Amino acid sequence: SQTIHQWPATLVQPVGSPLSLECTVEGTSNPNLYWYRQAAGRGLQLLFYSVGIGQISSEVPQNLSASRPQDRQFILSSKKLLLSDSGFYLCAWRRRDGGHEQYFGPGTRLTVT
Amino acid sequence: GEDVEQSLFLSVREGDSSVINCTYTDSSSTYLYWYKQEPGAGLQLLTYIFSNMDMKQDQRLTVLLNKKDKHLSLRIADTQTGDSAIYFCAEMFSNFGNEKLTFGTGTRLTIIP
Repeated sequence: SQTIHQWPATLVQPVGSPLSLECTVEGTSNPNLYWYRQAAGRGLQLLFYSVGIGQISSEVPQNLSASRPQDRQFILSSKKLLLSDSGFYLCAWRRRDGGHEQYFGPGTRLTVT
Repeated sequence: GEDVEQSLFLSVREGDSSVINCTYTDSSSTYLYWYKQEPGAGLQLLTYIFSNMDMKQDQRLTVLLNKKDKHLSLRIADTQTGDSAIYFCAEMFSNFGNEKLTFGTGTRLTIIP
């Protein structure tokens, strides 16, 4: 069966510090991968998606970047965090072929102080 | 563009049926989904419906789709305390071969004992 992991689960970082959030998927190959942000009391906003190693599409211009160094690894980064980067970050995966459902990880709660 | 709207709150007595509503704007949606988010957790895919269907039933869950009015609903029969959560509807939108999910803001379901 497939599982998706995210870490850390929670993070408190000062403004101006760097960020690295990691997402890994097990039990599948060549997944589509996604990063979403959920601000307090709001829905999900798609930040990035990837259809393969090194292939990243950005949905929203912002202070964040994403990378996919391995097939089942997706990393969300920032060089300098802003207060507005606080939120709940969710990674999701989808089968590349024959599937349409997206499955979500447990999320990372980021608080920028 | 695409937009998905939901009521923010719903309170239901334990044992009654819950009906969570959603409206969407993109008539070219292929699939529509319902996700459940418990406090501090990721999103759990509950069910989905293909856009050429009117209804789908899965145990206590019934999804109704009115394509003419672009209205989607989720009915939870015999609502239990474990159903307390935020429920998100989402539509899959295709744009030049890229598929992405657009989420509503979520409906917080509270169960009254």
